[in-house]
Amino acid sequence: EDQVTQSPEALRLQEGESSSLNCSYTVSGLRGLFWYRQDPGKGPEFLFTLYSAGEEKEKERLKATLTKKESFLHITAPKPEDSATYLCAVQEFGNTPLVFGKGTRLSVIA
Amino acid sequence: DSGVTQTPKHLITATGQRVTLRCSPRSGDLSVYWYQQSLDQGLQFLIQYYNGEERAKGNILERFSAQQFPDLHSELNLSSLELGDSALYFCASSENGGAGANVLTFGAGSRLTVL
Repeated sequence: EDQVTQSPEALRLQEGESSSLNCSYTVSGLRGLFWYRQDPGKGPEFLFTLYSAGEEKEKERLKATLTKKESFLHITAPKPEDSATYLCAVQEFGNTPLVFGKGTRLSVIA
Repeated sequence: DSGVTQTPKHLITATGQRVTLRCSPRSGDLSVYWYQQSLDQGLQFLIQYYNGEERAKGNILERFSAQQFPDLHSELNLSSLELGDSALYFCASSENGGAGANVLTFGAGSRLTVL
């Protein structure tokens, strides 16, 4: 069973059309949940870390939220430059590496 | 520029060959991580080093090995290459080795094509 499942796999939005990406996770003890952005041919770029249920973080048009089972990345009034693959990752307590989901590929059309 | 440097950016080789990928971590970071990214599997953790010592191991094949040198740069060695090894290989670094939630800084990756 995958520890991290992201949905949808791909999402196409019109510019200005707000939406949410989902990341559901299964871990015994969550040390942190991470969101990264990856542009084609580049390495993932860190966006947010969330540590506990109820926590929220914002950056420009992006807002990440966390519950005990899932995280959402809300995109408000997206622009074409927000087009990218968004990756979610979790880290359990103990000396464990980040485990990534397969990502959501977002396309924002002008 | 993330501060994590990976070389080479692109590499094309034949089955059965051996290659070495190199990574210089961000200044001040002691941990280095290697991940493999393929279209169907996403980012898969291979191995982590902290200050020269192996700290964690993922599903790294026996044909693959890595090390971290005293100057903290790391090398990932891939041998007896197969077609299925074609992928993007990312190096990432972080300040600590696991004391807290680790924010990883990724390099731009090395794209390996095995023909």
